[in-house]
Amino acid sequence: QLQLQESGPGLVKASETLPLTCSVSGGSISGSTSYYWGWIRQPPGKGLEWIGSIHYSGSTSNNPSLKSRVSISVDMSKNQFSLKLNSVTAADTAVYYCARRPVGGGFDIWGQGTMVTVSS
Amino acid sequence: EIVLTQSPGTLSLSPGERATLSCRASQTVSSSFLAWYQQKPGQAPRLLIYGASSRATGIPDRFSGSGSGTDFTLTISGLEPEDFAVYYCQQYGTSSYTFGQGTKLEIK
Repeated sequence: QLQLQESGPGLVKASETLPLTCSVSGGSISGSTSYYWGWIRQPPGKGLEWIGSIHYSGSTSNNPSLKSRVSISVDMSKNQFSLKLNSVTAADTAVYYCARRPVGGGFDIWGQGTMVTVSS
Repeated sequence: EIVLTQSPGTLSLSPGERATLSCRASQTVSSSFLAWYQQKPGQAPRLLIYGASSRATGIPDRFSGSGSGTDFTLTISGLEPEDFAVYYCQQYGTSSYTFGQGTKLEIK
């Protein structure tokens, strides 16, 4: 059974870079061409915001509202994919989720989420 | 960017009743690439519907999705106590995915 687990610092200082990793267990990121791997976040008490997605081939797409602050990469040797969000502000305080999206489908498997707070 | 507008913001119903949630897109959603999610407090979202009308694995048949183009609906027939939660729609028909702002389904 495929499982996803986010990891990273719970506290980041404003203007710095937020690094998060999603570890995939119970299956291989590169095991199928039929999946995309994504990051979604949710500020406290608010709705969901898609951050970006990656295919194991390295093809990425990002939320235009986050402009060039987002970088998503995949490490097949570790069966992980990662998010880097640059120049963070208090507005980036949120629960960050990683998730899998089959081609043609919605995000069907999610991590439990990790809370990240940006401090001034 | 496709903007998704969900209505109503809050829906108050009793167990056993039928819930109808709406999701309207600012542009046509390509190939009906629209999904619905359920989220309970402190939990990750759960996929209910994809492709506008296909139920995800393990989702009870009281959940159904319909619609195409710019208007989509999630219907829950015969509400169970565990169905009271927040529901989000999401489009993935473009390279930039977007979520609706959510509908809170609360017990009346």
